[in-house]
Amino acid sequence: GEDVEQSLFLSVREGDSSVINCTYTDSSSTYLYWYKQEPGAGLQLLTYIFSNMDMKQDQRLTVLLNKKDKHLSLRIADTQTGDSAIYFCAESRDSSASKIIFGSGTRLSIRP
Amino acid sequence: DVKVTQSSRYLVKRTGEKVFLECVQDMDHENMFWYRQDPGLGLRLIYFSYDVKMKEKGDIPEGYSVSREKKERFSLILESASTNQTSMYLCASSSLSGLEQYFGPGTRLTVT
Repeated sequence: GEDVEQSLFLSVREGDSSVINCTYTDSSSTYLYWYKQEPGAGLQLLTYIFSNMDMKQDQRLTVLLNKKDKHLSLRIADTQTGDSAIYFCAESRDSSASKIIFGSGTRLSIRP
Repeated sequence: DVKVTQSSRYLVKRTGEKVFLECVQDMDHENMFWYRQDPGLGLRLIYFSYDVKMKEKGDIPEGYSVSREKKERFSLILESASTNQTSMYLCASSSLSGLEQYFGPGTRLTVT
């Protein structure tokens, strides 16, 4: 069945790197996503990676995909207080956003 | 600037009341979605619509119905609200071939 799992909480010191991990079960996933939800807001797409890629970098964000282990990670370099949010891992089996399966979300909190 | 709006940010209803949650998008998207978000459970799809008057059940449709009379508007209806429907409700939209779902800010519904 379809399942996306991630830990519920992560606490990181300001300025350190944050690494949020996710595992998924569907080997036919086409796109894997990271969405961010700030307090009191809806979800916003942060980044995505196509399943034939291993890595994608975008400024402070690095996404790593291990397709063999069905493991996806999001690394945020130089974590800032504005990075406090819930981060959702998600997968899609087709080439559109018609059916996206979301994980439970990881709440990232930043310590001073 | 893309926009998905939801009719209320906060709503308090009594058990047994009929509840309407409205969602409007201004991007001419074909697909629209209703999710509920609960701590530790992530986002669960209630209903999905890929065209006017078309709908598909998601993972948890029981106790809900939907209406899509116009392309830009997707309504979620709780025929007889119950306390276990207290939750955050998120609406989203996407184009037929788009990779991203765009989310509204959410409606926090409390049923007492």
